Amino acid sequence: DIQMTQFPSSVSASIGDRVSITCRASQDISSWLAWYQQKPGKAPKLLIYGSSSLQSGVPSRFSGSGSGTDFTLTINSLQPEDFATYYCQQANTFPRTFGQGTKVEIK
Amino acid sequence: QVRLQESGPGLVKPSQTLSLSCTVSGGSISNGDYYWSWIRQPPGKGLEWIGYIYYSGNAYYNPSLKSRVTISVDTSKNQFSLKLSSVTAADTAVYYCARVKGYYDSSGYWQAAKDFDYWGQGTLVTVSS
Repeated sequence: DIQMTQFPSSVSASIGDRVSITCRASQDISSWLAWYQQKPGKAPKLLIYGSSSLQSGVPSRFSGSGSGTDFTLTINSLQPEDFATYYCQQANTFPRTFGQGTKVEIK
Repeated sequence: QVRLQESGPGLVKPSQTLSLSCTVSGGSISNGDYYWSWIRQPPGKGLEWIGYIYYSGNAYYNPSLKSRVTISVDTSKNQFSLKLSSVTAADTAVYYCARVKGYYDSSGYWQAAKDFDYWGQGTLVTVSS
């Protein structure tokens, strides 16, 4: 299985900050990487697919980059509704696997 | 707007079979552009992909669960289902159903079943005697 490692595991930030989350795959996954946002008690929500494509309806302050093994999710100008846990997921091979999550907390 | 809704028992005894259904509304499960998936999340932990199915019945499973999992589809009811046998406390989790989308890549080739774009609200299944 491809292991997906996210760091940091948690980050404290203030409203208006820029936050970056890294996801590293244990092997080359090309650009087959998605990012999800999950709030407590809710289902995950797809933010980014194909490493950098913004899912319909997702604010443009979210962006993704990377290819191969290293990927980044960036949130520009953090908003109150962005405090959540973020997961990466590889879509290159079976089984599909997720990172362990990064919690974005209020500083 | 596509909606997915999980249903099934919230409590299952050890060694028994967990059975859940997912009803899709706002779209046809027979739409060939999508697969339909189950994903679970133990309390306070991360996400684990269980498997997914195409409307034709072709299914793909996580090898870690393959010996215990069956995913089936009923196009007449616009539903798909999960059965997980011989459950233990380790199978206690919130179970989500989700739609899996594909898309055309930069070379114009269709890439099926990549990302989970619509999710159900999730249902907690506890394995306990």
